[in-house]
Amino acid sequence: QVQLVQSGAEVRKPGASVKVSCKVSGDSFREISWHWVRQTAAKGLEWMGGFDPTDGLITYAQKFRGRVIMTEDSSTDTASMELTSLRNEDTAVYYCMIGMGRTWGQGTLVTVSS
Amino acid sequence: DIQMTQSPSAVSASVGDRVTITCRASQGISNSLAWFQQKPGKVPQRLIYASSSLQSGVPSRFSGSGSGTEFVLTISSLQPGDSATYFCLQHNSFPLTFGGGTKVEIK
Repeated sequence: QVQLVQSGAEVRKPGASVKVSCKVSGDSFREISWHWVRQTAAKGLEWMGGFDPTDGLITYAQKFRGRVIMTEDSSTDTASMELTSLRNEDTAVYYCMIGMGRTWGQGTLVTVSS
Repeated sequence: DIQMTQSPSAVSASVGDRVTITCRASQGISNSLAWFQQKPGKVPQRLIYASSSLQSGVPSRFSGSGSGTEFVLTISSLQPGDSATYFCLQHNSFPLTFGGGTKVEIK
């Protein structure tokens, strides 16, 4: 059974960066579509970007372009999402998901506060 | 971007009732739509994929239908454990977009 395990909760000040990781077991990130999604009470679920194995490319949502970097390390079966220039409104639960929602990580709460 | 308009935003129904939730896409997405259930503080769980295929392990009272721009999730006989928020996801094209969610409450 495929599982995704994310890194733990983070607290950052405005302007800082945060990196959240997501380790897969039972599959390989190189062969599946994977995505980062965040959830807030105000805006619901937002897709931030993801990897399409059919073309091997990572696509970012326009809203986050220039502020987000998503990577995948096949040697450790870990995907990561780094969000820079954090703002208070980036406070959210961040999820990795694969297979168009077939499996989700447990979520990582990122709190941005001065 | 494809907009997903979900309705209603909330519904209150009794145990045994039939509940339907609709997602409308701003342009055709074939059958590239999934439905999820999320309980407070929990991770979303996929119920339906490819518009009408039931995820393994999901009770058969959940069903999905539709193609193109209009999609429906039906709970044929509402059970107490179905109290949750339901939302749709279109994955026909990037950016992936979600419906706004429907909160289902048991009367």
